[in-house]
Amino acid sequence: GENVEQHPSTLSVQEGDSAVIKCTYSDSASNYFPWYKQELGKRPQLIIDIRSNVGEKKDQRIAVTLNKTAKHFSLHITETQPEDSAVYFCAGAGGTSYGKLTFGQGTILTVHP
Amino acid sequence: DTAVSQTPKYLVTQMGNDKSIKCEQNLGHDTMYWYKQDSKKFLKIMFSYNNKELIINETVPNRFSPKSPDKAHLNLHINSLELGDSAVYFCASSQRLAGGGNTGELFFGEGSRLTVL
Repeated sequence: GENVEQHPSTLSVQEGDSAVIKCTYSDSASNYFPWYKQELGKRPQLIIDIRSNVGEKKDQRIAVTLNKTAKHFSLHITETQPEDSAVYFCAGAGGTSYGKLTFGQGTILTVHP
Repeated sequence: DTAVSQTPKYLVTQMGNDKSIKCEQNLGHDTMYWYKQDSKKFLKIMFSYNNKELIINETVPNRFSPKSPDKAHLNLHINSLELGDSAVYFCASSQRLAGGGNTGELFFGEGSRLTVL
């Protein structure tokens, strides 16, 4: 099955800086890669996703890039704000893991005012 | 107008007891899931049901038994609770299965925090 590794486990930035979180996956047949944000004490919510036929996708201050050859994808947050502070999870699905989202270990992002 | 609701939100119980968590979704989705989030925040899938049929059953002890009376409900019963079962259990639903041409976006409930003493 799929295995998703996520780094770093914690990330601390100053307000206005950029933040980058990276994930690698093991199943070359995986074709769907979402990112979820979980604020303290809340439920995880989808913030952006990318499919394997696309190399990059942007939505305002967040963007995701995918390198299928290297089997890694990244989340980029620009102009970070304190409300971006949360746990971010990457995930992969498809191929042998069709129907099942396998999550990375999570990254605790702290944005200091 | 909650999309995915689960009860109870908090559950404190003794080792050896049996407990249940209920989940309901009003999104009209075909697929429902149970995820376990441990103290390190790791989200791990336990079960998935599609139209009341069990399609994913990860390596979970037999003490955990899901039940889906209809596609809008997925309950989780846990027998003989152990200390290691303490976690937050999230119910989720999706319109489609993730992968292929589907987004499979998960809509999570608020979570049920289980504490076993």
